[in-house]
Amino acid sequence: DTAVSQTPKYLVTQMGNDKSIKCEQNLGHDTMYWYKQDSKKFLKIMFSYNNKELIINETVPNRFSPKSPDKAHLNLHINSLELGDSAVYFCASSHLSGSTDTQYFGPGTRLTVL
Amino acid sequence: RKEVEQDPGPFNVPEGATVAFNCTYSNSASQSFFWYRQDCRKEPKLLMSVYSSGNEDGRFTAQLNRASQYISLLIRDSKLSDSATYLCVVKFTGTASKLTFGTGTRLQVTL
Repeated sequence: DTAVSQTPKYLVTQMGNDKSIKCEQNLGHDTMYWYKQDSKKFLKIMFSYNNKELIINETVPNRFSPKSPDKAHLNLHINSLELGDSAVYFCASSHLSGSTDTQYFGPGTRLTVL
Repeated sequence: RKEVEQDPGPFNVPEGATVAFNCTYSNSASQSFFWYRQDCRKEPKLLMSVYSSGNEDGRFTAQLNRASQYISLLIRDSKLSDSATYLCVVKFTGTASKLTFGTGTRLQVTL
């Protein structure tokens, strides 16, 4: 059974388009995250939601809008895509109040903006 | 200065070798420390947490030196399957559950 799943796995689109990436976790965690890994492989957090409430919002263009309909889902919508948005986007989840606070990552969505 | 710094490598070692990676962090108000492993085109996965007293998990040993703000990972008897990128990860105090990742150290184990 997949613990953290993301769709789609690959996304190729034109500049200026709007796209969404979906994430679901079946681990019963209360916190979910979006990370961006750029071409230099640097992994940086973008957003985090705890019990559907935004708790981390890094300096990210407002073209990026996360939405958490429930604790098990965190989607990422991107408006007016730009070339620099090309990257791998990873979703993750954890127990915020857990003793280990281990974050489990999804398989990633490879976004290519042409 | 980056918050978490690692030597990007690559480290090319023969099977059976012992290899050590180091990582430094800039913020002394750091709470938790981890090593994650990332295989090529895959997601990061937790390898081990790093405790103040140092800890071992099979062939892997992690050490933390808070005074020097330094974390290390030692891999003994390297296997081909250890080839991956090793990410040093720090959770800073008061940052909810935000993890800060180093850029990773690439290890290639060869025959």
